[in-house]
Amino acid sequence: NAGVTQTPKFRVLKTGQSMTLLCAQDMNHEYMYWYRQDPGMGLRLIHYSVGEGTTAKGEVPDGYNVSRLKKQNFLLGLESAAPSQTSVYFCASSFGSNRGVGYTFGSGTRLTVV
Amino acid sequence: KNEVEQSPQNLTAQEGEFITINCSYSVGISALHWLQQHPGGGIVSLFMLSSGKKKHGRLIATINIQEKHSSLHITASHPRDSAVYICAVNSGGSNYKLTFGKGTLLTVNP
Repeated sequence: NAGVTQTPKFRVLKTGQSMTLLCAQDMNHEYMYWYRQDPGMGLRLIHYSVGEGTTAKGEVPDGYNVSRLKKQNFLLGLESAAPSQTSVYFCASSFGSNRGVGYTFGSGTRLTVV
Repeated sequence: KNEVEQSPQNLTAQEGEFITINCSYSVGISALHWLQQHPGGGIVSLFMLSSGKKKHGRLIATINIQEKHSSLHITASHPRDSAVYICAVNSGGSNYKLTFGKGTLLTVNP
């Protein structure tokens, strides 16, 4: 009963450090997404992927990079963390066609940059 | 102005009350989603709908495409329903990105 698994769940970084967040899904979904959630704001799209080997920028892509080398995995990287990147990060996945199914979200990664 | 507006922002109810949360959107959509997020928790998809009405247990979601409006109803509310409820719309296209409302914080007191 996996769905979308995010690792790690919590992380504290120092300014300038780098890290990678991993998202893995076992539902054979084509599309995968990375969102950030900040107080008082709705979820905002960072990057997304419409299939293995493809990535695209969302609303707030600056400071982040992504890769989708395998269909089931979508990695979000922070090359040089900044305090403004303190947030809760959610990964999600969905089928790529309108099959009448929704999105599946991971449980989130709470990142603090000090 | 946000493309997706929810009301109210905060809602407090007594156990057993009937709850309504509203969502209005300003763009053409292919689907509307209702999501639930418990404090400090992950996000769970409750409904996806493009027309009419859906029901799951004590939860009912309706959508009026002409009026660009959706409602989420909770019957016989319970403290475990306390959560943030998020409306999101899919405006179609080839990438199926979601546009989110800011959420409604529901607190149900025993």
